Amino acid sequence: EPEVTQTPSHQVTQMGQEVILRCVPISNHLYFYWYRQILGQKVEFLVSFYNNEISEKSEIFDDQFSVERPDGSNFTLKIRSTKLEDSAMYFCASTLRGAVNQPQHFGDGTRLSIL
Amino acid sequence: AQKITQTQPGMFVQEKEAVTLDCTYDTSDPSYGLFWYKQPSSGEMIFLIYQGSYDQQNATEGRYSLNFQKARKSANLVISASQLGDSAMYFCAMREGVYTGTASKLTFGTGTRLQVTL
Repeated sequence: EPEVTQTPSHQVTQMGQEVILRCVPISNHLYFYWYRQILGQKVEFLVSFYNNEISEKSEIFDDQFSVERPDGSNFTLKIRSTKLEDSAMYFCASTLRGAVNQPQHFGDGTRLSIL
Repeated sequence: AQKITQTQPGMFVQEKEAVTLDCTYDTSDPSYGLFWYKQPSSGEMIFLIYQGSYDQQNATEGRYSLNFQKARKSANLVISASQLGDSAMYFCAMREGVYTGTASKLTFGTGTRLQVTL
C-alpha cells in the first residue's frame, strides 16, 4: 500500500540553525500538510499546501517556517532559525482531495530535537 | 472552546473485551468529517475510521466502529475484542468545511491512552 515517507526519522540540531524536514507524499495525492506534536501533547496543524501554494497556516507557522514542493515528489518544511520550543515530532500528511470526507495519510514523523 | 474533547486521558481494558473511547466535538459547520487515529508507542499516526456528518449509518471497519450521535455531537470509537496490540494512544480529529475543494485541516483532541491487559 502506498505510504507517506519522511526523512530523517530523527534530527538533532543546535539552536539557531536551519533545518529542513523532507516528505514524499503518496504519488497521486494533491493536498499536503504539516503537523507537529510536542512530546505528550496533541497534534497541532501547521500548514496546508495545494496547487503549489499555501492554503492555510496556523499561528504557529510564523516567518521562521516555510514550505516548498521543489519537484514533483518532495514536500519540505524549513525552519530558518530553530528555537528550543521547536523540539517536537513533525508529521507530514497527504490526501487525494481536500474534501472533509478524505482521510489524511500520515508519515511516520521526524523527531526534531533542538539543543 | 475546544473543537474536539476527549475526556478520558487513560483507559484500561482486558484482552478480548470491548472498549469505548469518548469523543465530543463542537462545530457550527453542517459539513464535517470525524476521524480516529491510532498512535502506537513507535510514534506513527495510523488512520482507523471515518464518519461524515451526512452519513446515515455508523461507520465500521473490522473491529472498529463509531457510535455517532449527531444531536449530542459525539463520535465515540468502539473497539471490539481488544488485543494487546491495541495498546496505544487514540486521537479523535475533525475536518470542517464544504465537501469539495478545500484543503481543510484536521483538528485533534488530546487523545486517550488505551492499555490492554491480559
